[in-house]
Amino acid sequence: DAGITQSPRHKVTETGTPVTLRCHQTENHRYMYWYRQDPGHGLRLIHYSYGVKDTDKGEVSDGYSVSRSKTEDFLLTLESATSSQTSVYFCACGGINTEAFFGQGTRLTVV
Amino acid sequence: QKEVEQNSGPLSVPEGAIASLNCTYSDRGSQSFFWYRQYSGKSPELIMSIYSNGDKEDGRFTAQLNKASQYVSLLIRDSQPSDSATYLCAVKPPNYGGSQGNLIFGKGTKLSVKP
Repeated sequence: DAGITQSPRHKVTETGTPVTLRCHQTENHRYMYWYRQDPGHGLRLIHYSYGVKDTDKGEVSDGYSVSRSKTEDFLLTLESATSSQTSVYFCACGGINTEAFFGQGTRLTVV
Repeated sequence: QKEVEQNSGPLSVPEGAIASLNCTYSDRGSQSFFWYRQYSGKSPELIMSIYSNGDKEDGRFTAQLNKASQYVSLLIRDSQPSDSATYLCAVKPPNYGGSQGNLIFGKGTKLSVKP
């Protein structure tokens, strides 16, 4: 979806460093999601937001925090990156009961 | 724990055949159901959404929903090699108070269409 932009697209970081991934949308979607995708596990929900400053945990939230101070931006922070957080991260946006659209993904490698 | 289950495959069909992809979900109150296609190295792309029991057709794709059986399927008619991808089923559980629900994915079924 052209209205959803993730940054950075690729990142290599060292164990123990903080990392922030950004999702920016221009479609005014209420819901925003962060997923990680790993072989054998599919897409797993990390956190999601249902409005400005309204967030909730997903299936694999440990080690991650999020913030949404504006409708258009949803940030995912790894406070202290670990090798187990090496993954492809996807942001998605959508409505309350409607479909979600995905950003291009961020490939994160923790060394 | 809300769950969405799919056969991982791979599902292999010859070109021109019908591919049938299946998905079951655990939360009986779920109301919204989606099928996504994901090519290797790309992000998921929405193919179909379905909200009520029965069939919904869009070109070569038909989504089928049976809420009583907690079952969603996707049929691809006249399968083409370009349909080779992983197909993801997604379910939005009911909007319980507070969190307003989330969007849960199955692990996906890999489809291979042979020329």
